[in-house]
Amino acid sequence: NAGVTQTPKFRILKIGQSMTLQCTQDMNHNYMYWYRQDPGMGLKLIYYSVGAGITDKGEVPNGYNVSRSTTEDFPLRLELAAPSQTSVYFCASSYSDRTRGYGYTFGSGTRLTVV
Amino acid sequence: KQEVTQIPAALSVPEGENLVLNCSFTDSAIYNLQWFRQDPGKGLTSLLLIQSSQREQTSGRLNASLDKSSGRSTLYIAASQPGDSATYLCAVRGFSGNTGKLIFGQGTTLQVKP
Repeated sequence: NAGVTQTPKFRILKIGQSMTLQCTQDMNHNYMYWYRQDPGMGLKLIYYSVGAGITDKGEVPNGYNVSRSTTEDFPLRLELAAPSQTSVYFCASSYSDRTRGYGYTFGSGTRLTVV
Repeated sequence: KQEVTQIPAALSVPEGENLVLNCSFTDSAIYNLQWFRQDPGKGLTSLLLIQSSQREQTSGRLNASLDKSSGRSTLYIAASQPGDSATYLCAVRGFSGNTGKLIFGQGTTLQVKP
């Protein structure tokens, strides 16, 4: 099925460890995003990309890094995990076509706990 | 800085009721507004997207309205069903470059009781 695929679905990290959250989409969307959602809160943008080779910071980028070597993949890297990074992480992609209103497709999320 | 607020944070209604969820935003210069549904432990599903030039959008039992001048949007759900129980999030896209970035509200968690 076409869509946005995130792996893993769950992960427990120890403080100071690193990991990469994987995200891939097969809809040929130019735009991709990483959001985090804390309990009872809306989503906050971590990083985004408007195309292969182009990335930029969102609202809460500290402690994270991204890369976009292909249109399909947009991995999120956590370096030196901290308890404040305990959250649910969502990857999303959208059209870059204004006539289609930047319709979003979200992945099912990665639930990360840092202990 | 754009801020999006949703009231109430939680709502419980009996099955069959019509209900309204509210969303307000501080900067009226928006490109569009979207309503999403989020089921527990799941990702977000887009319900309705309203362009800035539109006043409302309808899909089945859902109707979303947009009043840019007052910074408000409402999501109307007719004849609610237990299957409508979920968290509903609204999000706005501003004109901050050609990026498609969204600013989200905190969500309204809806419970429809049989």
